[in-house]
Amino acid sequence: AQSVTQPDIHITVSEGASLELRCNYSYGATPYLFWYVQSPGQGLQLLLKYFSGDTLVQGIKGFEAEFKRSQSSFNLRKPSVHWSDAAEYFCAAYHNTNAGKSTFGDGTTLTVKP
Amino acid sequence: DAMVIQNPRYQVTQFGKPVTLSCSQTLNHNVMYWYQQKSSQAPKLLFHYYDKDFNNEADTPDNFQSRRPNTSFCFLDIRSPGLGDAAMYLCATSQYRTGNTEAFFGQGTRLTVV
Repeated sequence: AQSVTQPDIHITVSEGASLELRCNYSYGATPYLFWYVQSPGQGLQLLLKYFSGDTLVQGIKGFEAEFKRSQSSFNLRKPSVHWSDAAEYFCAAYHNTNAGKSTFGDGTTLTVKP
Repeated sequence: DAMVIQNPRYQVTQFGKPVTLSCSQTLNHNVMYWYQQKSSQAPKLLFHYYDKDFNNEADTPDNFQSRRPNTSFCFLDIRSPGLGDAAMYLCATSQYRTGNTEAFFGQGTRLTVV
């Protein structure tokens, strides 16, 4: 079955520290991969996406993610976290089968300490 | 420019009183999706339309229905909302089978049941 796993339910980092959020996928073939951010009570905002090609993708707000086929991973990184980055982060996979449903991980809640 | 628009952003309904949530798109995409997202959980797909073809997820309760009168609009009808139906409802669209593609999400409608 297709699945996306975010192993870390909750992460706390200090402001200015680096961040890495983990994401693993299990699909028959490489899906399209996405990271979304969601602030409380808000919709999903797309941070970045991977379709093919360069395995390091840049996104908005200083985020980047690296696709590693051998590890079935698509981890999100940011070199220096800002207090405004505190939010819920979802990794998602989209595959061009069955009308392209998105499969979401369970999310990682990021807390930023002053 | 908003491409997937959900109305209203916030909806309060009474227990058992039918309610309709609206989604419109300016992308002319052939697929529209409805997701339910409960607090601190990942979005869960309820159903989707591929053009006019309705596809229900196996575990979507009968209480949830949908209509897509044309390409641009899709409605989520909850026939008899219960307290457990309080959630964020997300609409998304995609253009299936056209190469690199992705789902575009609206800002969501937060439903409160009183």
